[in-house]
Amino acid sequence: DVKVTQSSRYLVKRTGEKVFLECVQDMDHENMFWYRQDPGLGLRLIYFSYDVKMKEKGDIPEGYSVSREKKERFSLILESASTNQTSMYLCASTLEGATVPFFGQGTRLTVV
Amino acid sequence: DAKTTQPTSMDCAEGRAANLPCNHSTISGNEYVYWYRQIHSQGPQYIIHGLKNNETNEMASLIITEDRKSSTLILPHATLRDTAVYYCIVRPGSGNTGKLIFGQGTTLQVKP
Repeated sequence: DVKVTQSSRYLVKRTGEKVFLECVQDMDHENMFWYRQDPGLGLRLIYFSYDVKMKEKGDIPEGYSVSREKKERFSLILESASTNQTSMYLCASTLEGATVPFFGQGTRLTVV
Repeated sequence: DAKTTQPTSMDCAEGRAANLPCNHSTISGNEYVYWYRQIHSQGPQYIIHGLKNNETNEMASLIITEDRKSSTLILPHATLRDTAVYYCIVRPGSGNTGKLIFGQGTTLQVKP
């Protein structure tokens, strides 16, 4: 089975800290995604990557950056965490074309 | 990019069929319709996907209209464990991105 693994289920950080959320997939998928999910807003796309070192902005990239140095790993970076970045963060990966995108279990980040 | 619209919420009696509609009127010819569901505090779980033919698997059936502008997910015998948020998404098939675009989803409440 495909596994998409997020490094933490729960994370508490202080305002102004630099935060790294890590996502690793084990199936050689080209495409990887980071979403955030907030009550009443559904899933919103932050960034996605379709190859190593390639990235594109999603709908809400402000306050975030990403890194993809290896195909299996896609990192989301909060340069200076703020309380409005408290959210559930979900990573997903997929091959090109009509294959099934798989999601990780999510990281619930609280910024205090 | 194609967008989807779904009702915000629906109820279904346990043991009855749950029919969840989705509109995707701007879908392109090479775009697939995917359905996911999300139970509280977990990552989205894949259910089914299709291009233009109806599809069935062990979890659900997917009915896509002939003009492909809408679809219906059918859970044939809903159980209390099917209570979740259901997302209908359309996956762009062009280029390398395969970007996933999520709408608000439908909260399905299965009642005893």
